[in-house]
Amino acid sequence: EAGVAQSPRYKIIEKRQSVAFWCNPISGHATLYWYQQILGQGPKLLIQFQNNGVVDDSQLPKDRFSAERLKGVDSTLKIQPAKLEDSAVYLCASSRDREYTEAFFGQGTRLTVV
Amino acid sequence: AQKITQTQPGMFVQEKEAVTLDCTYDTSDPSYGLFWYKQPSSGEMIFLIYQGSYDQQNATEGRYSLNFQKARKSANLVISASQLGDSAMYFCAMREGQRGGADGLTFGKGTHLIIQP
Repeated sequence: EAGVAQSPRYKIIEKRQSVAFWCNPISGHATLYWYQQILGQGPKLLIQFQNNGVVDDSQLPKDRFSAERLKGVDSTLKIQPAKLEDSAVYLCASSRDREYTEAFFGQGTRLTVV
Repeated sequence: AQKITQTQPGMFVQEKEAVTLDCTYDTSDPSYGLFWYKQPSSGEMIFLIYQGSYDQQNATEGRYSLNFQKARKSANLVISASQLGDSAMYFCAMREGQRGGADGLTFGKGTHLIIQP
């Protein structure tokens, strides 16, 4: 079974530029999560999808961050415009469905904003 | 207030020894779940073990066990017979309320475990 795929692995951009990250979850997984992990901290949930609907986006900075999962499969997270404090690893995870305790994570995209 | 506290930023342990990683949590919700994840240098988070607040027995998964002390609000991870491959960051996390399995996790800051030969 293929794992959660994320791209790119690394990205360096200047502040005020825009950037997009892509995630392809494990086939058949209905629940998808995006987390932000700042260096030295644990991951923080940004947004959770159930199929193509948003379950929780309470911690997503909606003035600059957006995410979509149009067909209920892969997902894109966008930042526009980026700030220095957005430098972090962005982790995507998927779960078979909401009642399953095990979520599978991708290797993440490391974003550096200069 | 911190919802998840991991007080050990780093630990060095000899190979084959048992390891206990500390985690305390703070919630007023009677229904919650506690998770432990491993993050190796490659970056992905690997699910290790889960304990529900109403579970009567401590969770075990192979070499991993969770020492759940509800009155103390403590959920320590115990790794028996440590191996070199156990070297990684370890995160404790909590889900509050009657939500779904891994919804809305709050993570601690992690413990960096290094196993020495």
